[in-house]
Amino acid sequence: TQLLEQSPQFLSIQEGENLTVYCNSSSVFSSLQWYRQEPGEGPVLLVTVVTGGEVKKLKRLTFQFGDARKDSSLHITAAQPGDTGLYLCAGRSETNAGKSTFGDGTTLTVKP
Amino acid sequence: GAVVSQHPSRVICKSGTSVKIECRSLDFQATTMFWYRQFPKQSLMLMATSNEGSKATYEQGVEKDKFLINHASLTLSTLTVTSAHPEDSSFYICSALQGNEKLFFGSGTQLSVL
Repeated sequence: TQLLEQSPQFLSIQEGENLTVYCNSSSVFSSLQWYRQEPGEGPVLLVTVVTGGEVKKLKRLTFQFGDARKDSSLHITAAQPGDTGLYLCAGRSETNAGKSTFGDGTTLTVKP
Repeated sequence: GAVVSQHPSRVICKSGTSVKIECRSLDFQATTMFWYRQFPKQSLMLMATSNEGSKATYEQGVEKDKFLINHASLTLSTLTVTSAHPEDSSFYICSALQGNEKLFFGSGTQLSVL
């Protein structure tokens, strides 16, 4: 069984602060996705990382895939209240029958 | 990004009735779709994998006779909650796999069973 440990589970910060969310596993993933979800809505795909060591930037968000493709991080610079939401990482592996392994999620609250 | 439509977004029903939720991939064909259940501020819990033209694969502990899944076409999967009870109240979400890597989600269905 593949596990993806996501931390922290809850994060409450002031507007303008930086933060990092981590996803770690002992399993290798062929790709890893990051999603953001707002209450009452489905998760929205932010990014997919595929190559070990890959870094992708999406405005103030920086995503990194570990060299061994077992872990990933999401860094938000100068967080804004609009960044508030549930962030989910999900790993995909060819050995897991096409299913994604989800992290437990990080509930981020950015206070004005 | 690709669009997955889920309907209805909210449903309230009486205990003992059945509820059908639809999940459509609007701009791509999806051989594989997934159904999840989610509790507040928690991650997604995979219920089953829906495969076009074949029987769904259910996760351990999910009653297949309770949660009927039909994937009759490459763009539509349905989840029917049969004889719903209050404990079935939850947020249900579907997703569709585009190619082999990209997973796109529906907007979810909030089910409330009275």
